[in-house]
Amino acid sequence: EVQLVQSGAEVKKPGESLKISCKGTGYSFTSYLITWVRQRPGKGLEWMGIIYPGDSETRYSPSFQGQVTVSSDKSINTAYLQWSSLKASDTAIYYCARSVTYRSGLDYWGQGTLVTVSS
Amino acid sequence: DIVMTQSPDSLAVSLGERATINCKSSQSVLNSSNKKNFLAWYQQKSGQPPKLLIYWASTRESGVPDRFSGSGSGTDFTLTISSLQAEDVAVYSCQQYYSHPPTFGGGTNVEIK
Repeated sequence: EVQLVQSGAEVKKPGESLKISCKGTGYSFTSYLITWVRQRPGKGLEWMGIIYPGDSETRYSPSFQGQVTVSSDKSINTAYLQWSSLKASDTAIYYCARSVTYRSGLDYWGQGTLVTVSS
Repeated sequence: DIVMTQSPDSLAVSLGERATINCKSSQSVLNSSNKKNFLAWYQQKSGQPPKLLIYWASTRESGVPDRFSGSGSGTDFTLTISSLQAEDVAVYSCQQYYSHPPTFGGGTNVEIK
């Protein structure tokens, strides 16, 4: 069974760093891409960036370029999303999702990681 | 970026009736070489992650009931639920994956009347 299992909820202060994870099981992790999607409270979905774990090639939305870093460790079938300095506006649920190619639908999703940034 | 505009924002439909959701892209998402529309529809129930319903604008994902159908081409697309069931209460979002960055519509909230 294909699963994407994300790390647990986080509460952070503005300016702190954070790295959340997404572990893929039940499929060949390096044969699919992982996308990160943001959903602010009560709002729609926002595409942030994508990584191909096979060679760690990444692409970012211009809206998120320089604001976050997407990475992966294929030895443990895990993708990551990290911030070096969080802002209150980063408060959101972050989802990872799988796709066959860069230009295809997102067929499996993680359960989401709630990140709360508050002083 | 391609802007995806959904209508209506919210929709209340009686059980067993048809629900129709529209999605318009600011530019065509039709690939002329393979004649595919690079558009997907997702369903998101309260407190859950999104679920892929439709890709290539009209291809149902495996396991999705056939009361869900997608249509349209170019810039105008429709998701139809032919006979609304109680378990279909959710927010439905379209997404284009034709050009970078992929973008989502704002979502349509479907409720029972």
